[in-house]
Amino acid sequence: QSVLTQPPSVSGAPGQRVTISCTGSNSNIGAGYDVHWYQQLPGTAPKLLIYGNTNRPSGVPDRFSGSKSGTSASLAISGLQAEDEADYYCQSYDSSLSGSVFGGGTKLTVL
Amino acid sequence: QLQLQESGPGLVKPSETLSLTCTVSGGSISSTAYYWGWIRQPPGKGLEWIGKIYYVGSTYYNPSLKSRVTISVDTSKNQFSLKLSSVTAADTAVYYCARLSTGASNYYYMDVWGKGTTVTVSS
Repeated sequence: QSVLTQPPSVSGAPGQRVTISCTGSNSNIGAGYDVHWYQQLPGTAPKLLIYGNTNRPSGVPDRFSGSKSGTSASLAISGLQAEDEADYYCQSYDSSLSGSVFGGGTKLTVL
Repeated sequence: QLQLQESGPGLVKPSETLSLTCTVSGGSISSTAYYWGWIRQPPGKGLEWIGKIYYVGSTYYNPSLKSRVTISVDTSKNQFSLKLSSVTAADTAVYYCARLSTGASNYYYMDVWGKGTTVTVSS
Protein backbone atom coordinates (compact mmCIF):
# COMPACT_ATOMS: atom_id res chain seq x y z
CA GLN A 1 0.00 0.00 0.00
CA SER A 2 1.70 3.18 -1.22
CA VAL A 3 1.47 6.43 0.72
CA LEU A 4 0.60 8.19 -2.55
CA THR A 5 -2.30 6.60 -4.45
CA GLN A 6 -2.34 6.37 -8.23
CA PRO A 7 -4.76 4.51 -10.51
CA PRO A 8 -3.14 1.25 -11.64
CA SER A 9 -3.89 1.94 -15.28
CA VAL A 10 -5.23 4.52 -17.71
CA SER A 11 -5.66 4.39 -21.46
CA GLY A 12 -6.38 6.66 -24.38
CA ALA A 13 -6.35 6.77 -28.16
CA PRO A 14 -3.65 8.59 -30.12
CA GLY A 15 -4.26 12.32 -30.07
CA GLN A 16 -6.45 12.23 -26.96
CA ARG A 17 -5.73 13.73 -23.54
CA VAL A 18 -5.37 11.65 -20.38
CA THR A 19 -4.78 12.54 -16.76
CA ILE A 20 -3.14 10.54 -13.99
CA SER A 21 -3.99 11.40 -10.40
CA CYS A 22 -1.77 11.16 -7.33
CA THR A 23 -3.66 11.34 -4.04
CA GLY A 24 -1.88 11.91 -0.75
CA SER A 25 -2.67 13.29 2.68
CA ASN A 26 -1.96 16.14 5.06
CA SER A 27 1.47 14.71 5.89
CA ASN A 28 2.73 14.92 2.31
CA ILE A 29 1.04 16.72 -0.60
CA GLY A 30 -1.48 18.45 1.65
CA ALA A 31 1.36 19.75 3.83
CA GLY A 32 2.66 21.71 0.87
CA TYR A 33 5.44 19.44 -0.32
CA ASP A 34 6.03 19.49 -4.03
CA VAL A 35 5.13 16.60 -6.31
CA HIS A 36 7.42 15.25 -9.00
CA TRP A 37 6.60 12.87 -11.86
CA TYR A 38 8.67 10.22 -13.61
CA GLN A 39 8.17 8.27 -16.83
CA GLN A 40 9.51 4.72 -17.04
CA LEU A 41 9.57 3.20 -20.50
CA PRO A 42 9.64 -0.62 -20.62
CA GLY A 43 12.99 -2.03 -19.53
CA THR A 44 14.55 1.33 -18.78
CA ALA A 45 15.33 3.53 -15.79
CA PRO A 46 12.80 6.17 -14.71
CA LYS A 47 13.18 9.61 -16.27
CA LEU A 48 12.24 12.91 -14.62
CA LEU A 49 9.16 14.30 -16.35
CA ILE A 50 7.82 17.06 -14.07
CA TYR A 51 9.45 18.64 -10.99
CA GLY A 52 8.12 21.12 -8.48
CA ASN A 53 4.51 20.32 -9.41
CA THR A 54 4.53 22.08 -12.77
CA ASN A 55 8.06 22.41 -14.18
CA ARG A 56 9.33 20.47 -17.19
CA PRO A 57 13.04 19.63 -17.55
CA SER A 58 14.68 20.64 -20.79
CA GLY A 59 13.70 18.26 -23.57
CA VAL A 60 10.33 17.19 -22.15
CA PRO A 61 7.56 18.09 -24.62
CA ASP A 62 4.96 20.62 -23.51
CA ARG A 63 2.32 17.92 -24.09
CA PHE A 64 3.17 16.92 -20.50
CA SER A 65 1.91 19.15 -17.72
CA GLY A 66 1.50 18.92 -13.97
CA SER A 67 -0.79 20.47 -11.41
CA LYS A 68 -1.43 20.29 -7.68
CA SER A 69 -4.39 21.14 -5.47
CA GLY A 70 -5.00 20.30 -1.84
CA THR A 71 -3.91 16.75 -1.10
CA SER A 72 -3.71 15.69 -4.75
CA ALA A 73 -1.67 16.24 -7.88
CA SER A 74 -2.23 15.37 -11.51
CA LEU A 75 -0.19 14.67 -14.60
CA ALA A 76 -1.85 15.50 -17.91
CA ILE A 77 -0.68 14.20 -21.27
CA SER A 78 -2.24 15.76 -24.34
CA GLY A 79 -1.92 14.69 -27.97
CA LEU A 80 -1.20 11.10 -26.93
CA GLN A 81 1.44 9.31 -28.94
CA ALA A 82 2.36 5.62 -29.08
CA GLU A 83 5.75 6.45 -27.55
CA ASP A 84 4.02 7.71 -24.38
CA GLU A 85 3.10 4.14 -23.44
CA ALA A 86 4.94 3.69 -20.16
CA ASP A 87 4.62 3.56 -16.38
CA TYR A 88 4.27 6.89 -14.58
CA TYR A 89 5.16 7.55 -10.93
CA CYS A 90 4.54 10.50 -8.64
CA GLN A 91 6.93 11.31 -5.76
CA SER A 92 6.87 13.66 -2.78
CA TYR A 93 7.98 13.95 0.84
CA ASP A 94 6.09 12.60 3.83
CA SER A 95 6.70 14.28 7.18
CA SER A 96 5.36 11.40 9.26
CA LEU A 97 7.71 8.97 7.52
CA SER A 98 10.52 11.54 7.33
CA GLY A 99 11.43 10.58 3.82
CA SER A 100 10.65 10.44 0.15
CA VAL A 101 7.59 8.50 -0.98
CA PHE A 102 6.44 7.24 -4.38
CA GLY A 103 3.04 6.48 -5.76
CA GLY A 104 2.36 2.89 -6.79
CA GLY A 105 2.65 3.76 -10.46
CA THR A 106 0.20 4.01 -13.35
CA LYS A 107 0.51 2.07 -16.57
CA LEU A 108 -0.52 4.14 -19.58
CA THR A 109 -1.76 2.21 -22.60
CA VAL A 110 -2.13 3.97 -25.94
CA LEU A 111 -4.94 2.19 -27.75
CA GLN B 1 27.01 15.23 -19.39
CA LEU B 2 26.58 13.67 -15.96
CA GLN B 3 26.36 9.88 -15.90
CA LEU B 4 25.83 7.41 -13.07
CA GLN B 5 26.76 3.73 -13.22
CA GLU B 6 25.84 1.08 -10.67
CA SER B 7 28.12 -1.89 -10.09
CA GLY B 8 28.22 -4.90 -7.79
CA PRO B 9 27.32 -8.59 -7.50
CA GLY B 10 24.15 -9.68 -9.26
CA LEU B 11 23.56 -12.57 -6.86
CA VAL B 12 23.61 -12.44 -3.07
CA LYS B 13 22.86 -15.26 -0.64
CA PRO B 14 20.11 -14.90 1.98
CA SER B 15 21.28 -13.40 5.30
CA GLU B 16 24.36 -11.89 3.63
CA THR B 17 25.09 -8.23 2.84
CA LEU B 18 24.28 -6.64 -0.51
CA SER B 19 26.95 -4.14 -1.61
CA LEU B 20 26.65 -1.78 -4.57
CA THR B 21 28.66 1.18 -5.80
CA CYS B 22 27.59 4.09 -7.95
CA THR B 23 30.30 5.81 -9.98
CA VAL B 24 29.63 9.41 -11.00
CA SER B 25 31.24 10.70 -14.20
CA GLY B 26 30.98 14.03 -15.99
CA GLY B 27 30.58 15.96 -12.74
CA SER B 28 31.73 16.12 -9.13
CA ILE B 29 30.04 14.26 -6.32
CA SER B 30 31.33 17.05 -4.04
CA SER B 31 28.95 19.62 -5.53
CA THR B 32 27.13 21.48 -2.77
CA ALA B 33 23.93 21.56 -4.83
CA TYR B 34 23.05 17.89 -4.77
CA TYR B 35 22.40 14.82 -2.70
CA TRP B 36 22.97 11.32 -4.06
CA GLY B 37 20.52 8.50 -3.54
CA TRP B 38 19.48 4.88 -3.98
CA ILE B 39 16.08 3.65 -5.18
CA ARG B 40 14.98 0.09 -5.85
CA GLN B 41 12.24 -1.64 -7.83
CA PRO B 42 11.22 -5.25 -7.13
CA PRO B 43 10.24 -7.29 -10.18
CA GLY B 44 6.89 -6.11 -11.54
CA LYS B 45 6.45 -3.58 -8.73
CA GLY B 46 6.86 0.13 -8.08
CA LEU B 47 9.72 2.31 -6.91
CA GLU B 48 10.96 2.39 -3.31
CA TRP B 49 13.26 5.09 -1.91
CA ILE B 50 16.16 3.60 0.06
CA GLY B 51 18.12 6.65 1.19
CA LYS B 52 20.36 9.56 0.31
CA ILE B 53 23.75 11.04 1.19
CA TYR B 54 25.44 14.44 0.96
CA TYR B 55 29.09 14.69 -0.05
CA VAL B 56 30.16 15.39 3.54
CA GLY B 57 28.53 12.16 4.66
CA SER B 58 25.13 13.26 6.01
CA THR B 59 22.61 10.48 5.44
CA TYR B 60 18.85 9.97 5.49
CA TYR B 61 17.29 6.50 5.24
CA ASN B 62 13.87 5.00 4.59
CA PRO B 63 12.62 4.17 8.11
CA SER B 64 11.47 0.73 6.95
CA LEU B 65 15.04 -0.16 5.92
CA LYS B 66 17.03 1.99 8.33
CA SER B 67 18.19 -0.85 10.59
CA ARG B 68 19.80 -2.66 7.63
CA VAL B 69 21.04 0.17 5.36
CA THR B 70 24.31 2.04 5.22
CA ILE B 71 25.11 4.59 2.50
CA SER B 72 28.61 6.01 2.29
CA VAL B 73 30.54 8.36 -0.01
CA ASP B 74 34.11 8.36 -1.34
CA THR B 75 34.79 11.79 -2.83
CA SER B 76 38.31 10.78 -3.94
CA LYS B 77 36.80 8.18 -6.26
CA ASN B 78 33.65 10.18 -7.09
CA GLN B 79 31.58 7.25 -5.85
CA PHE B 80 28.91 6.48 -3.29
CA SER B 81 27.90 3.07 -2.03
CA LEU B 82 25.00 1.08 -0.61
CA LYS B 83 25.16 -1.76 1.89
CA LEU B 84 22.03 -3.69 2.83
CA SER B 85 22.49 -6.35 5.48
CA SER B 86 20.59 -9.54 6.30
CA VAL B 87 19.00 -9.74 2.88
CA THR B 88 16.05 -11.96 2.02
CA ALA B 89 14.25 -12.78 -1.22
CA ALA B 90 12.15 -9.65 -0.66
CA ASP B 91 15.27 -7.57 -1.38
CA THR B 92 15.47 -8.92 -4.93
CA ALA B 93 15.13 -5.86 -7.15
CA VAL B 94 16.64 -3.54 -9.70
CA TYR B 95 18.72 -1.03 -7.75
CA TYR B 96 19.13 2.47 -9.14
CA CYS B 97 21.42 5.27 -8.06
CA ALA B 98 20.41 8.85 -8.78
CA ARG B 99 21.31 12.50 -8.31
CA LEU B 100 18.91 14.46 -6.14
CA SER B 101 18.24 18.12 -6.83
CA THR B 102 15.99 20.77 -5.29
CA GLY B 103 16.12 23.45 -8.00
CA ALA B 104 12.74 25.25 -8.19
CA SER B 105 11.24 22.93 -5.59
CA ASN B 106 10.86 22.54 -1.83
CA TYR B 107 11.86 18.88 -1.89
CA TYR B 108 14.34 16.66 -3.67
CA TYR B 109 13.69 15.05 -7.00
CA MET B 110 15.83 12.57 -8.94
CA ASP B 111 17.00 14.38 -12.04
CA VAL B 112 19.71 11.99 -13.25
CA TRP B 113 19.44 8.20 -12.94
CA GLY B 114 21.78 5.30 -13.48
CA LYS B 115 20.63 2.48 -15.75
CA GLY B 116 20.09 0.19 -12.77
CA THR B 117 21.52 -3.13 -11.74
CA THR B 118 19.58 -6.31 -10.97
CA VAL B 119 20.30 -8.00 -7.66
CA THR B 120 18.83 -11.41 -6.94
CA VAL B 121 18.82 -12.86 -3.43
CA SER B 122 18.99 -16.63 -3.66
CA SER B 123 20.99 -19.52 -2.30
